[in-house]
Formats: sequence, structure tokens, C-alpha cells
Amino acid sequence: NAGVTQTPKFQVLKTGQSMTLQCAQDMNHEYMSWYRQDPGMGLRLIHYSVGAGITDQGEVPNGYNVSRSTTEDFPLRLLSAAPSQTSVYFCASSYSRDGAQQYFGPGTRLTVT
Amino acid sequence: RKEVEQDPGPFNVPEGATVAFNCTYSNSASQSFFWYRQDCRKEPKLLMSVYSSGNEDGRFTAQLNRASQYISLLIRDSKLSDSATYLCVVTPRTGANNLFFGTGTRLTVIP
Repeated sequence: NAGVTQTPKFQVLKTGQSMTLQCAQDMNHEYMSWYRQDPGMGLRLIHYSVGAGITDQGEVPNGYNVSRSTTEDFPLRLLSAAPSQTSVYFCASSYSRDGAQQYFGPGTRLTVT
Repeated sequence: RKEVEQDPGPFNVPEGATVAFNCTYSNSASQSFFWYRQDCRKEPKLLMSVYSSGNEDGRFTAQLNRASQYISLLIRDSKLSDSATYLCVVTPRTGANNLFFGTGTRLTVIP
């Protein structure tokens, strides 16, 4: 099993550009989520999904969109990048629908200039 | 007030030492508790769940005090490989679809 994979590992965007961060898991987990990690802030939940076709907002959803067309994939779209979105983004999945005991991907380091 | 608060450290301890971290949570209805470990520039990984009766996994012991709303992690006989940031994680309520993460406590074990 590859576990949770994320692409790209690093990305630099200019303000106003859009892009999609990819996330995939091969563990047949129903629950998937996106977090951002900033210094001194801890991980904060952006969006999550409890199954294909079902998504919901987390703590900091503004500026991001998600979709869940398959169990395996959960892409995160930045609509119009801003410097405040410079962060490390982690995707995670869990066998538990309440999100406990999550497995994280290796992260994407995003810089917006 | 933050959902989960941790002392950021850093804790610098010699090999073989015993070290303890505490974490407090604000929501008394919180249901599930975990410790995750995060190495520098890597993803978090589950270290252990925390049960009401306390639980042990080798050199690691986790305790939960619901009355005082804190969780602790004790590491005995510290190894160099224990150097990492330890994240306290709380699920706010049964059926909740999110976790709240503390900012982490950084541990460095010195030879």
C-alpha cells in the first residue's frame, strides 16, 4: 500500500493564480480531510469528506474548494491564491467516520508570492 | 481560548531521562484523545490513543484526567530517536468529523 500520497511536494504560486493540490489514498478509507499547518498555529482543518459525494467545511475553508468523486481521491483547489495561503498542506484519511486515528500524506509546501 | 493548548517547549533532555508533557483541552464534552508525533518537515503520525484508564506502549505512557481536562504523555528512558514534536489531539464530541490539534511540544534528546 502506498498509503496517502500528495502531489506536488513543493509549489510556488503568484497571487491570484489557481491550482489544485492532489491527494489519493489506497486504503479504502471513507474519511478524508485537508489541513494546513502554520508556525505557532497547529494543524487546522480546511475541508473534510465522510465519503464519496459528501464534503463539508472545517475551521478555515475560505479560499478553498474540494470535491470527492471517488473514495480514493480528494483534491483541494485554491481558487485565487493569496500570500496568507502560504503554508504546509496535509491530506489525511481515516477508517473511522469520526476522523480519529488519521493517516497523513507527506505534505505540500506552498508559497504564494 | 484555543481548543487544545500545549507547552511548546523545547524540552532538551539527556538520553535515558524521563520526560513528561501535558496538554489541556477546553471542551469538557471532548470524547477521544490522541498523541501524534511529527518529525521535522514530515507528516504527523499517530503515536498512541489515550484511554480514560491510562495506557502504556513500551516506554510511553498516556494519561487522561477528565476532571482537570488534561492529557499527559510520559516517555521513559529517552532515546535520540524520540527527538520530535509531540502533538496533542482531541475529538470534540462523539461523531464529530474533525480533530483539534495542539501546536506541539518539541523534544530534543541529547547524547
